Amino acid sequence: DVKVTQSSRYLVKRTGEKVFLECVQDMDHENMFWYRQDPGLGLRLIYFSYDVKMKEKGDIPEGYSVSREKKERFSLILESASTNQTSMYLCASSSKDPQYFGPGTRLLVL
Amino acid sequence: EDQVTQSPEALRLQEGESSSLNCSYTVSGLRGLFWYRQDPGKGPEFLFTLYSAGEEKEKERLKATLTKKESFLHITAPKPEDSATYLCASISGTASKLTFGTGTRLQVTL
Repeated sequence: DVKVTQSSRYLVKRTGEKVFLECVQDMDHENMFWYRQDPGLGLRLIYFSYDVKMKEKGDIPEGYSVSREKKERFSLILESASTNQTSMYLCASSSKDPQYFGPGTRLLVL
Repeated sequence: EDQVTQSPEALRLQEGESSSLNCSYTVSGLRGLFWYRQDPGKGPEFLFTLYSAGEEKEKERLKATLTKKESFLHITAPKPEDSATYLCASISGTASKLTFGTGTRLQVTL
């Protein structure tokens, strides 16, 4: 079974803090993705990576950065958290199709 | 730009009352159409991939079908444990990026 894990299920941060969300997959997948999910807007792609040290912007990369130093690990960084980044963050991985998702991190920025 | 539209937004069924969820897509060069199930507060769980018009996939009480313009998720004799949000997503050509619909929230009552 494919397993994608995320470092936290719930996180509460203050405005301006630097926030790290980590994702690990155990299936040796080349591709990894970060989405956010908001009511009425669905899932929107923030960044993805198709190889170690490679990254591509998704639809909404502003205010975020990513790091992929090892194949199994993909980190999402909020450089200076803002209240409009309060959301559910979902990590996914794939070899080609389909994408497999982690359990999600619900982030609240106060 | 690829678009995926799901209907209805919400559906309430009695146990045993069969129905269908719709996913309409506008995609240049469809490579695959995916169905996911998402329980509240959790990440999407992969159900099916459909690659070409006429294809059908089944799993327990669920059957997914694909035409050139839409996909249906048929639910036969649903049970309360089928209650969830069902997400549809498309992927085109050689892209890595999924385009998601906003989901159908299904509630099955006794």
